[in-house]
Amino acid sequence: AQTVTQSQPEMSVQEAETVTLSCTYDTSESDYYLFWYKQPPSRQMILVIRQEAYKQQNATENRFSVNFQKAAKSFSLKISDSQLGDAAMYFCAYRSGSYGGSQGNLIFGKGTKLSVKP
Amino acid sequence: DTGVSQDPRHKITKRGQNVTFRCDPISEHNRLYWYRQTLGQGPEFLTYFQNEAQLEKSRLLSDRFSAERPKGSFSTLEIQRTEQGDSAMYLCASSLGVGTNEKLFFGSGTQLSVL
Repeated sequence: AQTVTQSQPEMSVQEAETVTLSCTYDTSESDYYLFWYKQPPSRQMILVIRQEAYKQQNATENRFSVNFQKAAKSFSLKISDSQLGDAAMYFCAYRSGSYGGSQGNLIFGKGTKLSVKP
Repeated sequence: DTGVSQDPRHKITKRGQNVTFRCDPISEHNRLYWYRQTLGQGPEFLTYFQNEAQLEKSRLLSDRFSAERPKGSFSTLEIQRTEQGDSAMYLCASSLGVGTNEKLFFGSGTQLSVL
């Protein structure tokens, strides 16, 4: 079975600085997708960034980028120029690429609570 | 675009009572998912629908849980004979289900407290 591990329950960053959130996963599959979701106090999960396992190039979305190390099964999220609005729970998630007709069965880690100091 | 709507936002019930939650997906979305999130954990998949058909159920979905999506529009999740262990946030998500580019849009959840 696939597992996702986030070893940092809480992280803190100064506004405008850079922070990296860690995620490791375990799978025997070769085709899969990885995601970072943000859950602010409003509770709504918001997709931050996604990475296809077959792509070597790391995904980027504005201030958010990932460091995808497939052999090490590591998928960290870097947030540059941190803003107060970035404060939230961040969840790393895995999805099989060969999961029948649905690819919405996401496996989540336990999350990292990010605080941003002004 | 009103997003995914869930009702109620909070529900407090006594052990043994039945509760029902509602999810209204984004109107053109054909797939609808239910997840459960307990305190300090990430969401866990419960079940999903494609249109009105329930295509998969997790082992987490005991026989006290039932989900429906009549006419492929809104969905309901019912929990019968609630137990304290059912206390959690129940999240709904919907998507267009377009293969590898499928993107899930989540609602704000229903927080259930079983006393």
